[in-house]
Amino acid sequence: DGGITQSPKYLFRKEGQNVTLSCEQNLNHDAMYWYRQDPGQGLRLIYYSQIVNDFQKGDIAEGYSVSREKKESFPLTVTSAQKNPTAFYLCASTTVGQGYTEAFFGQGTRLTVV
Amino acid sequence: GESVGLHLPTLSVQEGDNSIINCAYSNSASDYFIWYKQESGKGPQFIIDIRSNMDKRQGQRVTVLLNKTVKHLSLQIAATQPGDSAVYFCAETYTGGFKTIFGAGTRLFVKA
Repeated sequence: DGGITQSPKYLFRKEGQNVTLSCEQNLNHDAMYWYRQDPGQGLRLIYYSQIVNDFQKGDIAEGYSVSREKKESFPLTVTSAQKNPTAFYLCASTTVGQGYTEAFFGQGTRLTVV
Repeated sequence: GESVGLHLPTLSVQEGDNSIINCAYSNSASDYFIWYKQESGKGPQFIIDIRSNMDKRQGQRVTVLLNKTVKHLSLQIAATQPGDSAVYFCAETYTGGFKTIFGAGTRLFVKA
C-alpha cells in the first residue's frame, strides 16, 4: 500500500543531543514537508522540499536541519540548538504541478527531552 | 490563514446536532481548499476539498462552503457523532504550488 511512514513513533532525547526523525514515502510525491505541533496548537511549518537536493526554510526552521538526497526520504534533525524540542512532529508529502495537491501525513513522531 | 502557535478554538456540540467549523484563508491566489481531521496522537487525514470555481461541495455527512469574497471557508458536519471529535484544519494551496498553508485548527467536542 502507498503511504508515508514516520519513525520512530516515540523518541527521547537528552539535552545537548542531536536526533534524527525519519520520513519515507512511496507515493512518488515530489514535495515533502515537516511540521511541528505543540499540545493544543496548530501545525507550524519547519522545512519543505519541492525536489531532490533542494529545500526551503519554513516558519520555525531555527534549530532544525533537513536533507533530501532521495525523492522518497526527507529526514529531519533536531539539533541541540533547538531550545524547546519537545513536540509532536508530522511529515507530509504532496504532488507538485497541475492539479490537486492533497497532503498525505505520516502518523507522527512524539519527541520528548529528558 | 498561516498556521501560528495559538491555542485552538473549541466547538462543543450535542450528539446528533449539526456542526459548523469556520476558517479564514489568507491567499487570494489559492485555488484549492482542503479540510483535514486529526484524531489524538495521529496525523491529519483528508476529509473533503473544494476548488475555487465552486462555492459548495457535499460529501458523506460533510459539506464545505467557500466564500471567496470574504476569503472564508466552512465545514458543516451533519448529525455529529462521538467519532467526529477531533481537531479540524483547513488548508489552502494553488495549482502548480507546492506549499500548503494550514489554518490554526478547531477542536470539536461531541457530547453524548
